Amino acid sequence: GAVVSQHPSRVICKSGTSVKIECRSLDFQATTMFWYRQFPKQSLMLMATSNEGSKATYEQGVEKDKFLINHASLTLSTLTVTSAHPEDSSFYICSAREASGGGRDTQYFGPGTRLTVL
Amino acid sequence: EDQVTQSPEALRLQEGESSSLNCSYTVSGLRGLFWYRQDPGKGPEFLFTLYSAGEEKEKERLKATLTKKESFLHITAPKPEDSATYLCAVQASFNKFYFGSGTKLNVKP
Repeated sequence: GAVVSQHPSRVICKSGTSVKIECRSLDFQATTMFWYRQFPKQSLMLMATSNEGSKATYEQGVEKDKFLINHASLTLSTLTVTSAHPEDSSFYICSAREASGGGRDTQYFGPGTRLTVL
Repeated sequence: EDQVTQSPEALRLQEGESSSLNCSYTVSGLRGLFWYRQDPGKGPEFLFTLYSAGEEKEKERLKATLTKKESFLHITAPKPEDSATYLCAVQASFNKFYFGSGTKLNVKP
C-alpha cells in the first residue's frame, strides 16, 4: 500500500515553455501533498505544501507565480513550472501524507521528475 | 530552532561490517521520526516511523531506535544492495517536516 506516482518521470523542454508535473496517491486519499526540489548530492528542499481544495503554502524564497500548484482532488496534485528557464532544471519530488489517526502521519514519496530546460 | 542533523555524511563499509547511522534532532513536540532510503535518481522510499522514546522497529538488516534526542539506524551485516542515501525526517507539527541532509552509505563487496 501507500503508493505515490509521478508523471512524467523525465521531461526536456525549451526555455520559456511551461511544464506540468502530476502527483497521484494511488491507494489512499491525501489531503496534503508536498512538493520538493532536490539538487545533485543535496537533500530535499521543501517548495510548498498543497492542501486539497485550498491554496498552496509556499516556502520562503519560492515564487508562487512561477511554481503553480493545484490540488484538485484527494488523490491528485499538480505542479506547473511556468516560463521555465535553465536554472529551473532540477529533480522535483512530490510526497503525499497518509493520515493514520491521532496525528500519526507518514509521508510517502513519488519517484521524482527530472526536469531539464534547454 | 527546529533542526535535524545526520552523521556521518558518508560511510563506507565492507560487506558484513555492521554499523550505525545517527540522526539527532531538536524539535519542540516530536510527532514522529521517519527514516527513508533514497537511491540515485529516485524518490525516497519509506522505511520506518518511530513515535516515542524507547521505540524500536526492524526490517531485514535494518533496525531503527529512538531516544528523546536522537535516532539510530543500525545496519547488521550489510550487503552491497544496501548502498544508498539514508534520510531522516522529523514531524514537528501538522504540516512541518524537517529533513536531515542524509548519510550516503557505500557497502563494498
